[in-house]
Amino acid sequence: DAGVTQSPTHLIKTRGQQVTLRCSPKSGHDTVSWYQQALGQGPQFIFQYYEEEERQRGNFPDRFSGHQFPNYSSELNVNALLLGDSALYLCASSLGGQGAHSPLHFGNGTRLTVT
Amino acid sequence: AQRVTQPEKLLSVFKGAPVELKCNYSYSGSPELFWYVQYSRQRLQLLLRHISRESIKGFTADLNKGETSFHLKKPFAQEEDSAMYYCALSTPGGYQKVTFGTGTKLQVIP
Repeated sequence: DAGVTQSPTHLIKTRGQQVTLRCSPKSGHDTVSWYQQALGQGPQFIFQYYEEEERQRGNFPDRFSGHQFPNYSSELNVNALLLGDSALYLCASSLGGQGAHSPLHFGNGTRLTVT
Repeated sequence: AQRVTQPEKLLSVFKGAPVELKCNYSYSGSPELFWYVQYSRQRLQLLLRHISRESIKGFTADLNKGETSFHLKKPFAQEEDSAMYYCALSTPGGYQKVTFGTGTKLQVIP
């Protein structure tokens, strides 16, 4: 079991561009959450997808959007990139059916640098 | 809104010494608390959760609702415990929005 996989591992974009990050959940998991981790900070919740719908959202602008596919994989899209979007983006999968407390399984993250 | 506070960015202890990583939270209801750990060059992973009330790798954590704390403890630190530790909170309601603290780096000195 490969666990949660994310691609790409690193990405460099220019301010104003758009970016798409991808995540495949751990086998058997149906829920995907995305987190942003700035340097020296803990992961900040962006949003969560379950049954192909956004179920919860953190305090992030509409420039951040996502999608979940029927095979439970997910994408995170960020439009009009700002320098402040530079961070490690983590994907975490879990079992939605187990209620609020299914532990998160994290990927290795995508390091996004905006210049 | 919920918040998790980890007051120490860095905690250095000698091998064999007791360890206590502090975590305080703010939430008006009954949250579930977790400790996640990230070892060097590894992904973030769950260490323990308060509802399990178990000891993992010698670590324990007790939820103190009166003090709104969930401190992580280990009686004798080992070098392999050196890692980044994050306290996290999940709120009830069927959704898994997890709020993380800023993390504490534990450095065990041989």
